[in-house]
Amino acid sequence: GQNIDQPTEMTATEGAIVQINCTYQTSGFNGLFWYQQHAGEAPTFLSYNVLDGLEEKGRFSSFLSRSKGYSYLLLKELQMKDSASYLCALPNDYKLSFGAGTTVTVRA
Amino acid sequence: KAGVTQTPRYLIKTRGQQVTLSCSPISGHRSVSWYQQTPGQGLQFLFEYFSETQRNKGNFPGRFSGRQFSNSRSEMNVSTLELGDSALYLCASSLVDGGISGNTIYFGEGSWLTVV
Repeated sequence: GQNIDQPTEMTATEGAIVQINCTYQTSGFNGLFWYQQHAGEAPTFLSYNVLDGLEEKGRFSSFLSRSKGYSYLLLKELQMKDSASYLCALPNDYKLSFGAGTTVTVRA
Repeated sequence: KAGVTQTPRYLIKTRGQQVTLSCSPISGHRSVSWYQQTPGQGLQFLFEYFSETQRNKGNFPGRFSGRQFSNSRSEMNVSTLELGDSALYLCASSLVDGGISGNTIYFGEGSWLTVV
């Protein structure tokens, strides 16, 4: 089975940096996905990590430590449009298992 | 290229009725998955299909069923609807393996089902 934990909510100011943590337990690791979901919309792909380390993609970066069962998504230079739910997910057996999601609110 | 297309986008049904939701994956994608999203349970996996074969099924009652056609399009059906079936139903497509090898999974806009 799999267990995925994320904080429920985070609030930050426009222009700031926010780090969303995801800890997981899994019997077989096939990488970790991060998705962004705005209210009422479909989840959209942000990143995929399968090897340890940091992957940077513009304002968004994702980090993975397989030995610690830990990942984080780093959002830099926050913008109002970044207010959304952020989901980490583990692929296994042809499916994604999602965490409950972290709702990020960006304030002016 | 066109994304994942789901129809209908919104629908209201009465308890006891049945509903069929449709999904057209991204061209060339052969793996189609379905997920249910509710405020209380989050995103829950329903089933995954590849080449018209169901490869995995989530922990949902038998009232939830699905199928995939030879052109990779998929449908899911919920029979004897209950109030608790009210949710956003999301279809997702990927090249072949539902994300296992890192192939990105793309989601459709979803079908909002309200059961009254």
